[in-house]
Order: sequence, then structure tokens, then C-alpha cells
Amino acid sequence: DTGVSQNPRHKITKRGQNVTFRCDPISEHNRLYWYRQTLGQGPEFLTYFQNEAQLEKSRLLSDRFSAERPKGSFSTLEIQRTEQGDSAMYLCASSSGQGWTQPQHFGDGTRLSIL
Amino acid sequence: DQQVKQNSPSLSVQEGRISILNCDYTNSMFDYFLWYKKYPAEGPTFLISISSIKDKNEDGRFTVFLNKSAKHLSLHIVPSQPGDSAVYFCAASLAEGAQKLVFGQGTRLTINP
Repeated sequence: DTGVSQNPRHKITKRGQNVTFRCDPISEHNRLYWYRQTLGQGPEFLTYFQNEAQLEKSRLLSDRFSAERPKGSFSTLEIQRTEQGDSAMYLCASSSGQGWTQPQHFGDGTRLSIL
Repeated sequence: DQQVKQNSPSLSVQEGRISILNCDYTNSMFDYFLWYKKYPAEGPTFLISISSIKDKNEDGRFTVFLNKSAKHLSLHIVPSQPGDSAVYFCAASLAEGAQKLVFGQGTRLTINP
């Protein structure tokens, strides 16, 4: 399977704990995106990497959130001191940087539940 | 500020008929538009896209129409099949910068046998 891979699929944790999610993009894709989706809404943009450089962050991404993409391959999204409002589906997508009409391909997401 | 809107939360269509899903946007700077399909417990799957220089793009049973003056796009599925039952999202992006996608709220399509 050469699609976008996300782990874990589900994460249940207590409020105040830290969590980390991993995304492995399609191998030849140099652009990587994180989105968050809550019930009844479309995905909302969180942050974007071109290779290893984090080039844009949404104002939705508070200082409790940090994302990295070392070596321009896989990416991690960490949430510190989780809150009830962080419960959501976290989606990762990747795309080729060749031209601006390349679609983003999504993984199946990590569902985060805060107790 | 909802820049991309799908005003119909749900749509029910008989198998074999045409399904038409609609989407409106407010930002005239959007250059690229996409439709995604989402099944439960899966991520969105790319269906079809259209750039702002075109008004129609067709791929098999799926056709996307873009009306820039009305800031409106639609997805036509014909003939509709039971496997098309899913939530459909339209999305838009700018040509410049990160090309982050701005999504609508989604429309749940149900194909009835």
C-alpha cells in the first residue's frame, strides 16, 4: 500500500496528558499537511510542510500543538496538556510539489478522544 | 467565516438517476477546486478537480462544473450507484502559497435501490 499512513488510528487519553501522532506520506510527495475534523464539519487546515520546512500554521494551532517533519519524510503532531476540545479526527495529507494543481491525498486519520 | 459552503446537509437519489451536489464559495481568489468522497472511518478520497481556467471537467461518471461569476460549483454523478453513498466534500485552494484546502461542511449522499 503506497497511500498515506497514519498511526495510531485511535487514541484515548485523559485530559492533561500529552499525545503524539505520526504520519507517513506517499513516498515521492514533498508537501505534507495536517488537518482537524470535528463532527459535522469539513476538515480544517492546521499546518503545512514543504520537505522539512514548516511554512504555514493556522491560528487554530495553539502553542500546545507542535508539528515536525525531520528529514522531510514522516511527520509527527504533538498535543501537550490535552483539553476536551482537542477531541477530533486528525488527518494528514500529502501532495506532489510539481505544479499547483496536484490534489492532496489523505490518510485515514487518527481519532483522538479526551476523557 | 465560512468561505466554502455546502448548503444541503443530505441528498437522497434513486439508483440509476443523476446526483447533483452543490457548493458555493465567497473568495474570488480561489483558483483550484476539488471534490472528495468520504466513507465512515476512512479519510477523504480525491474524486475530481477543476482549475479556474476551465468551466467543466469530466472523469467517467463524474463531472464537475464551475461557474466563476456565480462562485458556484457542482458535482454531477450519472448514473448513481449504491457505492456512491458517502459524504461528499468540496474544497478550494489558492494557486499561490501553501495551497491549503478550505473545505465545505459536506453533503451526505444516499443512493436508494
